[in-house]
Amino acid sequence: GQQLNQSPQSMFIQEGEDVSMNCTSSSIFNTWLWYKQDPGEGPVLLIALYKAGELTSNGRLTAQFGITRKDSFLNISASIPSDVGIYFCAGSNYGGATNKLIFGTGTLLAVQP
Amino acid sequence: GAVVSQHPSRVICKSGTSVKIECRSLDFQATTMFWYRQFPKQSLMLMATSNEGSKATYEQGVEKDKFLINHASLTLSTLTVTSAHPEDSSFYICSAPVPGQGAAFFGQGTRLTVV
Repeated sequence: GQQLNQSPQSMFIQEGEDVSMNCTSSSIFNTWLWYKQDPGEGPVLLIALYKAGELTSNGRLTAQFGITRKDSFLNISASIPSDVGIYFCAGSNYGGATNKLIFGTGTLLAVQP
Repeated sequence: GAVVSQHPSRVICKSGTSVKIECRSLDFQATTMFWYRQFPKQSLMLMATSNEGSKATYEQGVEKDKFLINHASLTLSTLTVTSAHPEDSSFYICSAPVPGQGAAFFGQGTRLTVV
């Protein structure tokens, strides 16, 4: 099935560092979403973006919907140990024939105290 | 926020038996739900779209006779893995879109192990 290109694949950082990850697609979306998944759990929604160019924050997290509608990035500032997990981007075309989400390949984040 | 509940969280079954997984939207109605499969250290792969009151739409390569989907009400979708084999062992996750939005909320996932 189709997947979005997400980078980096993994990151190993020290507590307190900032983190940046991005997601690109060959096709456009009208919705970009960022999720975090802990081991053995379902993904949890972090940020939803609905407009090209939109910049949205949720606490220490900031995400942007790319102007071309083919990319998005997620920044985490001042990382803490509980930020550990796998982060997935997802794109969809809400209001189209289907609202199905297409997921990125994921970014594994490890934070060392 | 919207809550999606998935049950069971883990199940072990014998090869050749069938297993049913339930997905419920607890505080909103969902005319559409989605079923994903996730292998270790991989992303979520969409299996099928569950449509309330009509047939499910399956992604290419997913056997509809193997993975039976029923969406009998606006708050419940079920996935039945029929005649399970060890290669069906995986993490299955459902999701439901939030009404009026492009976002979706996910269930807790079901770890299926076929022995």
